[in-house]
Amino acid sequence: IAGITQAPTSQILAAGRRMTLRCTQDMRHNAMYWYRQDLGLGLRLIHYSNTAGTTGKGEVPDGYSVSRANTDDFPLTLASAVPSQTSVYFCASSGSGTGGNEQFFGPGTRLTVL
Amino acid sequence: GQNIDQPTEMTATEGAIVQINCTYQTSGFNGLFWYQQHAGEAPTFLSYNVLDGLEEKGRFSSFLSRSKGYSYLLLKELQMKDSASYLCAGMDSNYQLIWGAGTKLIIKP
Repeated sequence: IAGITQAPTSQILAAGRRMTLRCTQDMRHNAMYWYRQDLGLGLRLIHYSNTAGTTGKGEVPDGYSVSRANTDDFPLTLASAVPSQTSVYFCASSGSGTGGNEQFFGPGTRLTVL
Repeated sequence: GQNIDQPTEMTATEGAIVQINCTYQTSGFNGLFWYQQHAGEAPTFLSYNVLDGLEEKGRFSSFLSRSKGYSYLLLKELQMKDSASYLCAGMDSNYQLIWGAGTKLIIKP
């Protein structure tokens, strides 16, 4: 692996179903992030983790949960999907959660909730 | 509140110069980022400014004025491959990025 990978690439999901979006990085970055990107809006932070074992809420956390059991993986779970969660989801990582560290982005997951 | 403003769309000609402006309001300030995003792809890092002034990196330059809450991205010698969205993001006091909606740049031959 080189960089950040996300799975699946795209998914169509029935409302009410549970879904986990996977994110793995091999850069040994401490900080990881989940964003959603919707047309006409900027990237919005869902959850973040500054280091393994810790997580925090971003701007739009409702309906989503995350875990950070180790440095490399940062899965995002939708417990019961709703149509408003239709979006493109990007995972990102940076060397540190503080300072001017650039964030590296995964290729994204396009999620459609019907 | 926190807010990033940038134009929705701009058009420029191949070989020309274009300046994309961004104004920001953040709770505290830890720098200003510019990212490029081609359609259907992930954002990629272009520049970071935390001090006032101009940072030049090849054909791309980025400027910051903290007193005015203002930044711009300058693209020179435009190429067709520069057609993309350009995202401005301010880092707040919690080191979280506040993102603008992006400026779609259309390059015409």
